[in-house]
Amino acid sequence: EAGVTQSPTHLIKTRGQQATLRCSPISGHTSVYWYQQALGLGLQFLLWYDEGEERNRGNFPPRFSGRQFPNYSSELNVNALELEDSALYLCASSPPVGVYEQYFGPGTRLTVT
Amino acid sequence: AQSVTQLGSHVSVSEGALVLLRCNYSSSVPPYLFWYVQYPNQGLQLLLKYTSAATLVKGINGFEAEFKKSETSFHLTKPSAHMSDAAEYFCAVRATGANSKLTFGKGITLSVRP
Repeated sequence: EAGVTQSPTHLIKTRGQQATLRCSPISGHTSVYWYQQALGLGLQFLLWYDEGEERNRGNFPPRFSGRQFPNYSSELNVNALELEDSALYLCASSPPVGVYEQYFGPGTRLTVT
Repeated sequence: AQSVTQLGSHVSVSEGALVLLRCNYSSSVPPYLFWYVQYPNQGLQLLLKYTSAATLVKGINGFEAEFKKSETSFHLTKPSAHMSDAAEYFCAVRATGANSKLTFGKGITLSVRP
């Protein structure tokens, strides 16, 4: 069974640009979560999508947004990039019922220069 | 709101020694608790989970953790450390109910000396 996949592996952008990160969940999983792992800040919850709807978001500005597609894949968009957005962005997925843990992808390393 | 405290940022043990990584949680209701491991430049891998069944939970790679409600703790142990255990370990909590986000501790880096 294929795990959670994320693309691209690395992304280099300039301050003020937009970044788009993509995530494909494990087959059969309907929930997708995004987390930011920035140096010195630990793992912070960003967004949760379930059945195409945004269910919850963390304490991040509105320039962090995303969506979930009918096939349950998801993308995270970060507008007006700032230097402090440089981080590893992790996507996780979980099935609709009966399982409590989240399964993580390898992450996208975003560097803003 | 739930929170997790992992005391210390770095633990160093000798190969073959006991590994003990501490985690204390704060939650108003019985939570779900997890330990994840992260190797350099990789995502998080689930080691084990507590979901209100047995209080002693066994995970992968010889790790186990015990849920102690009276101490609000969920410490991770392994009887004998291996060089391949060197990584960063995260404790996480998830409340029961509709809000499914995980709240992570700061993480602990485990070093294993030969």
